[in-house]
Parts: sequence; structure tokens; C-alpha cells
Amino acid sequence: EDQVTQSPEALRLQEGESSSLNCSYTVSGLRGLFWYRQDPGKGPEFLFTLYSAGEEKEKERLKATLTKKESFLHITAPKPEDSATYLCAASGNTGKLIFGQGTTLQVKP
Amino acid sequence: GAGVSQSPSNKVTEKGKDVELRCDPISGHTALYWYRQSLGQGLEFLIYFQGNSAPDKSGLPSDRFSAERTGGSVSTLTIQRTQQEDSAVYLCASSLNGAGSGNQPQHFGDGTRLSIL
Repeated sequence: EDQVTQSPEALRLQEGESSSLNCSYTVSGLRGLFWYRQDPGKGPEFLFTLYSAGEEKEKERLKATLTKKESFLHITAPKPEDSATYLCAASGNTGKLIFGQGTTLQVKP
Repeated sequence: GAGVSQSPSNKVTEKGKDVELRCDPISGHTALYWYRQSLGQGLEFLIYFQGNSAPDKSGLPSDRFSAERTGGSVSTLTIQRTQQEDSAVYLCASSLNGAGSGNQPQHFGDGTRLSIL
């Protein structure tokens, strides 16, 4: 069964304290690994798509990486405005997006 | 350059009433998806449209739930005889190509927050 698991569930960082969020996936025939950011009361906002192991993508303080079993979202020197829930999703042979439960990040000034 | 638009943003209704939720996808996007997000839960897939057809309805929780899409654009999700367990945020997303490719990002609206009293 296709499955996506994110850890940790919640993460508290001080401003400037770098860290990583983990997304482990079990998907038959990975077609894409997606990262989203969701703010309270809003829909998920698309961040990155990764297609194959070894691929990396960057946007401002965020960098996403992909291996054959997991993806990491690295946050470098975070700011309070980076506080949000980060969602990981994978699509495989079914084409359907399977979402993880999310990691809620709080960055304190 | 509008994104995905959903209406209403909030809906409060009494148990047993019917509700209609609307989604206007990004122009040119052929695929449209409905999800449900309950408090503290992940996104639960409901239904997928490719054009006006729904190849995958596997996530609809019961026969009280139905959806349609017209003109390859606007979609309506209808919940009949609402129950308290239907309370959730209903999110709509669209993508350039369908789920058959599986490699196109989905772009989400801000959802309809549905509360059943």
C-alpha cells in the first residue's frame, strides 16, 4: 500500500537555527515527490517537485532533496515567517497524490 | 492570474440539510481534485476529474456525496443530508494534466470550511 510518513509532527526552532524535516515514502513507481506549505486557514501552497533520487531544489531558505526512500526539506537560518505546516506528498503508478500528515514548524524570534 | 477559487469560504448548516461547494480551477487546467481535511488530519482524497469525466471517485465517503464538473471548468461538490461527521475543510485543487501522468503539481484553493450543527 502506498504510504507517506512525515517526521517530526512538530518542530520548534529559534530564529537562525537550521534543521531538516523528513518525509519517508513507500510508493510503487514514484512519479513525483511534492512539498507544500500550509498556513492556518489557507490551502496548501506548492513549493517543489522532485522526480528522481539525487535531485535537489532550492527556494530562498528552503532546499528539498530526494533519495529512493525519503525526502528532506532543509531549512537554513529560518525566520518567524517560515512558521507553517509543511506537507509532503508522493504520486506513483496510480497517479494519485498520497499526503503525509505534515510537520508543523514554529520559528521563534 | 487567478489561482483556484472556492466558494463559499465558510458554510454553517444544520444537520440533515444539503450543501453545495463550488470550485473554479486555474484556467487551462484539465484536471480537478477534491480533498477533505479534518482537524489534525491529513488530506483525504475524494474525487478526481479529467475534463468533465470522473475516472476516480474512490474517495467519496458515502452515496450522500456527489460531484460534477461542467465545461471542463467549474466543479460542484454536493453533500446531501449532512451529518456532523461531515464537518471539515473541503479543498479543491487543479493541475495542468491529469492524474494519469502523476507528475504535475496540484495547486490548491483556500477551501470551504463546513460546519454542521
